Amino acid sequence: QKEVEQNSGPLSVPEGAIASLNCTYSDRVSQSFFWYRQYSGKSPELIMSIYSNGDKEDGRFTAQLNKASQYVSLLIRDSQPSDSATYLCAVNIEETSGSRLTFGEGTQLTVNP
Amino acid sequence: EAGVTQSPTHLIKTRGQQATLRCSPISGHTSVYWYQQALGLGLQFLLWYDEGEERNRGNFPPRFSGRQFPNYSSELNVNALELEDSALYLCASSAVWTNYGYTFGSGTRLTVV
Repeated sequence: QKEVEQNSGPLSVPEGAIASLNCTYSDRVSQSFFWYRQYSGKSPELIMSIYSNGDKEDGRFTAQLNKASQYVSLLIRDSQPSDSATYLCAVNIEETSGSRLTFGEGTQLTVNP
Repeated sequence: EAGVTQSPTHLIKTRGQQATLRCSPISGHTSVYWYQQALGLGLQFLLWYDEGEERNRGNFPPRFSGRQFPNYSSELNVNALELEDSALYLCASSAVWTNYGYTFGSGTRLTVV
């Protein structure tokens, strides 16, 4: 089982729609969760962090966390063509050798005008 | 405030050679992380340095090594280069472990021929 799994893409939505990106993780003790956006040929950019169960909203982005189900999601409302990118879910994994931020393989999102 | 800076932007090496990649963290950040992103793959954790010490290491062979200098800048060395080492190498920094997420540099594209 992968430590962080994201729903397989690519995901295509029309402009103005809601894009839903999902992520599950295996480490039950993880406390910190992040969503990164990576444009083609660029480095990842942090767009959301979430630490507590429930929803966290920032502009058009909403992150949702359910630790009991080990599930994190990202909703993008009113999707724009500029949102077209790969979205990476990242989870802080604690292990005896130290902690590390572990990434899923990403979901490629395309927003069609 | 300057972000995470990496050099060089591109590096072409011959199989069997050594490559040295450099990273300067955001001012005030003491932790530096190295990741490998091979084409079409997710980010794979390589190394974490904090306060000059190696804190954690990913599942990579010993020919991947590095160090952190007193000014918190870091160097990644890859010895005995293999063709499959061709990838984007990303450096990130953070202020307090991983709780606040990482800020990534623009990366070094290493090509082994």
